[in-house]
Amino acid sequence: QFVLTQPPSVSGAPGQRVTISCTGSSSNIGAGYDVHWYQQLPGTAPKLLIFGNNNRPSGVPDRFSGSKSDTSASLAITGLQAEDEADYYCQSYDSSLSGSKGVFGGGTKLTVL
Amino acid sequence: QVQLVQSGAEVRRPGASVKVSCKASGYTFINYYLHWVRQAPGQGLEWMGIIIPGGGSTSFAQKFQGRITMTRDTSTSTVYMELSGLTSEDTAVYYCARGRQFLTSEYFDYWGQGTLVTVSS
Repeated sequence: QFVLTQPPSVSGAPGQRVTISCTGSSSNIGAGYDVHWYQQLPGTAPKLLIFGNNNRPSGVPDRFSGSKSDTSASLAITGLQAEDEADYYCQSYDSSLSGSKGVFGGGTKLTVL
Repeated sequence: QVQLVQSGAEVRRPGASVKVSCKASGYTFINYYLHWVRQAPGQGLEWMGIIIPGGGSTSFAQKFQGRITMTRDTSTSTVYMELSGLTSEDTAVYYCARGRQFLTSEYFDYWGQGTLVTVSS
C-alpha cells in the first residue's frame, strides 16, 4: 500500500541504539531522491527530524542520524530516551507517480521498554 | 516564528464537501509551497497535493483528482483545501505543511496543528 516500506514497530531499552529502515525501489530512493524523516508524538502533528538523508534541523539532538544507500534509508537513534517513544515516518519522491510531490512510508512505532 | 494555523474540526455527511483553511505567518507567504497531508485514524501519512502561493498553481495525488481543490488568498496568507464527494474513508486529520526543496525532493519543515474531518451519516 505504501511506496516506501518500514517495519511496523521497533523497540529498545533506555540508553540503547535502534534503527528504523525505509525500503524503496528504483523509482524513488534507488533513483537518487533524497529521504527525509519525521517524528510524530501521540496526538500531535509530525515534526521534521532529518532532511536530505542525514541533516538535522536546528534543535534536533545529535542522537538522531540518517543514512541512505541504494534503494533504502535508515534512521538511527542512540542513547534511547523515554521521550523518543513515537511514530517515525520516512518520506521521499517517486518518479512513477503522476502529479505526486511526496511519498511516505507506512510509519514505525518506537516503543521504549 | 513560522506558524501554520488551521481551522477547526468538521463533521460532514457522506456525499458532502468540506473546506479546510491554513493561515500562514512568520515568513513571506509567496516564497514557499504549501502541501496538504492527511492521516486516517491509526494510519500513516498520505500526501494529497500542493499549491504554489505565488501563482496559485496546484498539483494533486492521482487518487484525489477530480474531487480536490486548493486555493489561496495572498491578502490573508491563507490556503484552502476543499474535498468533495466525501465518504467514510475520508475521515482523517488533515494537515497543511510548508515545503522546502532539498536537491532532489521536497520536505516539510513546518506543519499545521491538524484539522479532524469526520464523515458520518
